[in-house]
Amino acid sequence: GAGVSQTPSNKVTEKGKYVELRCDPISGHTALYWYRQSLGQGPEFLIYFQGTGAADDSGLPNDRFFAVRPEGSVSTLKIQRTERGDSAVYLCASSVTSGRHTGELFFGEGSRLTVL
Amino acid sequence: AQSVTQLGSHVSVSEGALVLLRCNYSSSVPPYLFWYVQYPNQGLQLLLKYTTGATLVKGINGFEAEFKKSETSFHLTKPSAHMSDAAEYFCALSTGGFKTIFGAGTRLFVKA
Repeated sequence: GAGVSQTPSNKVTEKGKYVELRCDPISGHTALYWYRQSLGQGPEFLIYFQGTGAADDSGLPNDRFFAVRPEGSVSTLKIQRTERGDSAVYLCASSVTSGRHTGELFFGEGSRLTVL
Repeated sequence: AQSVTQLGSHVSVSEGALVLLRCNYSSSVPPYLFWYVQYPNQGLQLLLKYTTGATLVKGINGFEAEFKKSETSFHLTKPSAHMSDAAEYFCALSTGGFKTIFGAGTRLFVKA
């Protein structure tokens, strides 16, 4: 597609439920990133994929969070047993740069998650 | 460890006035520095970036920023604010790896 696409744009769920957030990066971008943006804060790194593999998942807050990118394109961020503190905007970005990262990140519009 | 500090969560200027958004960083290695802008209900988009070379970098929409190593700063400026500049601005840092670190953001208000 023309840009990074994220679905759903808004998700309201109840505490304890499971959610999936999807990201479709720009075609040809090998690198894919997930960030989380809480109210009044800047984006916080969660995980980075290079191709199909998670090159670094050190930003995932705990084992309730998991992300996959099985075919090296679309990625899904999965959150189990959601908590109210998980409420945030989840941003996906992609880039062409591999290895040494000096380049631009292309962001989607984000998925706003609200946990009641 | 690397960090980015944006001074002022909110900045208000009159239309036509100078825009100055402040960013200071901390890095143990030479950084790559970025400014991103986020308009309401849109994703972040790159305004400009500094990697190496010329320390004064120009970006889109008339914005520019100067990398000052001695001051560990990368302030964003625009000579004359326009109503359409109202948005949230994020300063960000990368050290050549895959992880970009963002500041908390500065919301710019432009008064008519």
